[in-house]
Amino acid sequence: QSVLTQPPSVSAAPGQKVTISCSGSSSNIGNKYVSWYQQLPGTAPKLLIYDNDKRPSGIPDRFSGSKSGTSATLGITGLQAGDEADYYCGTWDISVHVGVFGGGTKVTVL
Amino acid sequence: EVQLLESGGALVQPGGCLRLSCAASGLSFSSNVMIWVRQAPGKGLEWVSSISSSDDVTFYGDSVKGRFTISRDNSKETLYLQMNSLRDDDTAVYYCGTWAPGHEYIQHWGRGTLVTVFS
Repeated sequence: QSVLTQPPSVSAAPGQKVTISCSGSSSNIGNKYVSWYQQLPGTAPKLLIYDNDKRPSGIPDRFSGSKSGTSATLGITGLQAGDEADYYCGTWDISVHVGVFGGGTKVTVL
Repeated sequence: EVQLLESGGALVQPGGCLRLSCAASGLSFSSNVMIWVRQAPGKGLEWVSSISSSDDVTFYGDSVKGRFTISRDNSKETLYLQMNSLRDDDTAVYYCGTWAPGHEYIQHWGRGTLVTVFS
């Protein structure tokens, strides 16, 4: 059981948009920055979004992040076959003093 | 280019021990908070442990507290994870990474090393 809650899967056709939610509490998302990671099959996770809505260099602007209260959202527009991956949200939990992740969301391009 | 290279993963029996290493290059290792994250087969990411840049503050996930010890050698730019009293559910790929405290994100990830615990 993950501390942060994500939907197990989302899907859409190429060129469409998907959003992935990440729900937490006041001890984590409500008081901390949220980050998002992309894990392509068989590879290590890669930082996609940090500080709720910032993209590292090299990440296309098709990927966006937002946060409101104790929830965060990752958006992917112009969906491509290469976006098929697992996506994780993460942050720090101030009550247990550890990093926490969502259970991951598998994105499928139909 | 930042590189993190984990090693030490192996097949080990329950109750056994193992030490993982993570060799860093291309970054100011001694200035970075370092972490270990693991991923059981077919499962999600799990935070394992973190250590401050000066080696004086450590945190552990509940599932490994009292069994695992994180440490670092800044002179060798290497991070370690001593794993004792291993259990079946410790089977996972173990990743090391750099953590941005206050911003709460893992900027750099290694490729991971596989630990398999079975009898």
